[in-house]
Amino acid sequence: NAGVTQTPKFQVLKTGQSMTLQCAQDMNHNSMYWYRQDPGMGLRLIYYSASEGTTDKGEVPNGYNVSRLNKREFSLRLESAAPSQTSVYFCASSNRQASGYTFGSGTRLTVV
Amino acid sequence: GESVGLHLPTLSVQEGDNSIINCAYSNSASDYFIWYKQESGKGPQFIIDIRSNMDKRQGQRVTVLLNKTVKHLSLQIAATQPGDSAVYFCAENIGGGSNYKLTFGKGTLLTVNP
Repeated sequence: NAGVTQTPKFQVLKTGQSMTLQCAQDMNHNSMYWYRQDPGMGLRLIYYSASEGTTDKGEVPNGYNVSRLNKREFSLRLESAAPSQTSVYFCASSNRQASGYTFGSGTRLTVV
Repeated sequence: GESVGLHLPTLSVQEGDNSIINCAYSNSASDYFIWYKQESGKGPQFIIDIRSNMDKRQGQRVTVLLNKTVKHLSLQIAATQPGDSAVYFCAENIGGGSNYKLTFGKGTLLTVNP
């Protein structure tokens, strides 16, 4: 099925551990995004990639890095996880302004 | 701070009634708005969008109204059904071209009572 695929769906990390969240889309979209969702906070933009080869910071980039591996894949890395990074992470993609985003199903991350 | 917000964090309606979910935005440069629906454990789903050169747009059972004078956006759902129970987010875009990125409101929880 066409769409945005995120892996893993769930993850528990210890403080200080690192991990990479994977995202892939098969809709040939140019732009990809990483958001985090916390209770009562809505969705906040971490990083985005307007096109292959470019990445930019969003509203809450501290503690994260991203890689736009190719047009399909956009990964989010936590180098040293902290409890404050406990959240649900959503990847999204879009092709043009008038089409909105297509979201993945999310990764629920808990840092203990 | 966030420029998109919601007047009501929760809304409870009876099945068959019409629902209205409101959203305020503060950036007059916003040129594109979207409503998303998020069911428990899932990612947000696109419902309907509207550009700033319009004041109303209709879809299937849903209507979005945009009042640029007071920077207000609303989502109307006709004949609300139990399957409409979800969190609804409004989102706005300020940048154009390659800077297309959305800012989301905090969401409204809609509960439909049978």
